[in-house]
Amino acid sequence: DVKVTQSSRYLVKRTGEKVFLECVQDMDHENMFWYRQDPGLGLRLIYFSYDVKMKEKGDIPEGYSVSREKKERFSLILESASTNQTSMYLCASSLMGQKRTQYFGPGTRLLVL
Amino acid sequence: KQEVTQIPAALSVPEGENLVLNCSFTDSAIYNLQWFRQDPGKGLTSLLLIQSSQREQTSGRLNASLDKSSGRSTLYIAASQPGDSATYLCAVRPRANSGGSNYKLTFGKGTLLTVNP
Repeated sequence: DVKVTQSSRYLVKRTGEKVFLECVQDMDHENMFWYRQDPGLGLRLIYFSYDVKMKEKGDIPEGYSVSREKKERFSLILESASTNQTSMYLCASSLMGQKRTQYFGPGTRLLVL
Repeated sequence: KQEVTQIPAALSVPEGENLVLNCSFTDSAIYNLQWFRQDPGKGLTSLLLIQSSQREQTSGRLNASLDKSSGRSTLYIAASQPGDSATYLCAVRPRANSGGSNYKLTFGKGTLLTVNP
């Protein structure tokens, strides 16, 4: 079974803090994704990566950066957390190729005070 | 820009009922469409994936259909059970040369299903 894990289920941070969200997958997937999910807005893609050190902006990259130094790990970084970044963050991974489904992690619920 | 709409936003049914969830999309240049399930506070689980060349896919009590020309998909759940209670999301993937990144899924906002015992 594919397993996508996220470093924290719940996280509370202060405004202005630097925040790291980590995602690890164990199935050698080329593609990895970061989404945020908000009530009434649904899932929105922040960034994705199609290979080590490669990244592409999604729909809402502002205020975020990402890092993919190893194939199995994709990190989302909030350089200076703000209250409007309070959200549920979901990581996903998939094999290369359009037929491939995305497998999701359990999510990290981030609260920025 | 692709937009995906799911109706209804919420649905409550008694156990045992057959039900249909609807998904519509504005741009028919899709490669495939997926239905996901999300339990409260958790990640998404893929249920069914339909390629644009297919009309339907079945898995157990679930059947998903796709009418690409009209921009519609339905998820049919037979003999619903309380364990089916969750949010159901549909997502479309654009065709490779349709101008958007072909890795990017566009999601609907979901239908919250409650099956009452």
